Amino acid sequence: DTAVSQTPKYLVTQMGNDKSIKCEQNLGHDTMYWYKQDSKKFLKIMFSYNNKELIINETVPNRFSPKSPDKAHLNLHINSLELGDSAVYFCASSPPGQNTEAFFGQGTRLTVV
Amino acid sequence: AQKITQTQPGMFVQEKEAVTLDCTYDTSDPSYGLFWYKQPSSGEMIFLIYQGSYDQQNATEGRYSLNFQKARKSANLVISASQLGDSAMYFCAMRERNTGGFKTIFGAGTRLFVKA
Repeated sequence: DTAVSQTPKYLVTQMGNDKSIKCEQNLGHDTMYWYKQDSKKFLKIMFSYNNKELIINETVPNRFSPKSPDKAHLNLHINSLELGDSAVYFCASSPPGQNTEAFFGQGTRLTVV
Repeated sequence: AQKITQTQPGMFVQEKEAVTLDCTYDTSDPSYGLFWYKQPSSGEMIFLIYQGSYDQQNATEGRYSLNFQKARKSANLVISASQLGDSAMYFCAMRERNTGGFKTIFGAGTRLFVKA
């Protein structure tokens, strides 16, 4: 059973297009995240949702809009894609508390051409 | 300001030897968690080991141990008896309280190369 699953795994699209990445977790966790990993492998948190409520928005352009229809799902919609959006996007989830690790999805490699 | 610092962009180690990957962190919160993750070339993020800020003993998980020096705010990962499969990116991370919940932030990573 996959704990945190993202779709698609690969996404190639043209500049200016709008695309979505879906994420689902079956771990019963309250908190879900989106991270962006750039070409230098730096992992930066983008958003965090707790029980469907946005709690962290780390100065991400408003072309990125997360949506959490329920606490098991956190989707990421990106409008007007730019070349600089090319990266690997990771979804993650965790239970509450500072002593719990985040569980990651397999990542979505987005390439904007 | 960078809250998690990994000063070694790349490290080489001979197979079967031990290697230490450095990590320092910065926080004013007395309660936090420290983590190490491994990212092999296949791309997935694999949790390795956890250390709580109040833990008195250093964490160990198999060949992984965490050298926690709280006063120095360092949490170095020690891998003993390195194997070829240990070649990967290694990320140090800190989980701390944030408005409305918790968040985990990562260092820039260290790429480890294990030589045969």
